[in-house]
Amino acid sequence: DGGITQSPKYLFRKEGQNVTLSCEQNLNHDAMYWYRQDPGQGLRLIYYSQIVNDFQKGDIAEGYSVSREKKESFPLTVTSAQKNPTAFYLCASRLKPNTGELFFGEGSRLTVL
Amino acid sequence: GESVGLHLPTLSVQEGDNSIINCAYSNSASDYFIWYKQESGKGPQFIIDIRSNMDKRQGQRVTVLLNKTVKHLSLQIAATQPGDSAVYFCAENSQGAQKLVFGQGTRLTINP
Repeated sequence: DGGITQSPKYLFRKEGQNVTLSCEQNLNHDAMYWYRQDPGQGLRLIYYSQIVNDFQKGDIAEGYSVSREKKESFPLTVTSAQKNPTAFYLCASRLKPNTGELFFGEGSRLTVL
Repeated sequence: GESVGLHLPTLSVQEGDNSIINCAYSNSASDYFIWYKQESGKGPQFIIDIRSNMDKRQGQRVTVLLNKTVKHLSLQIAATQPGDSAVYFCAENSQGAQKLVFGQGTRLTINP
């Protein structure tokens, strides 16, 4: 079945360590997105990519980095520069960058100890 | 700037009653709106969408109403069931924009 796969589902890291969250989609979607969700909050956009080898900062990009070397993959690195990295991270994709619904993965919960 | 907000952060309804979840948006250029349902610990799931050339759209037990005059969107769930308990988000996209803007969310709780 087509969909978006995020891994790992749960991740624990020590403060100061970089961590990379995986996001893979087999929907042949052009656009991919990373959101952060804090308890009781909505979704805040971290980075997005319209096409391979291109990506743009979202509203809260500081302390994060991404790459888009393949159409189906959009990994997110949470760096040690991110002041408060503990959160629920959601990856999404849609067929075209500027229209249509977003399809979401099941999320990755990162806890920094 | 753009913003999409919800009138109420929580909503409690009796099982079997109808639920109405509201959403206000500020970008008059928004032309596409979506409602998502998010269960605890999971990713949001698409419920229904509507384009700005419509003012009502119905799905299975759900109806979305769009009032462009007052920039208001609502989701109506008929005969609410325990499985409807979740957080509901509205989102909007303006023409040509490359990202959706999400509201804060409303937590819907079903009372037996």
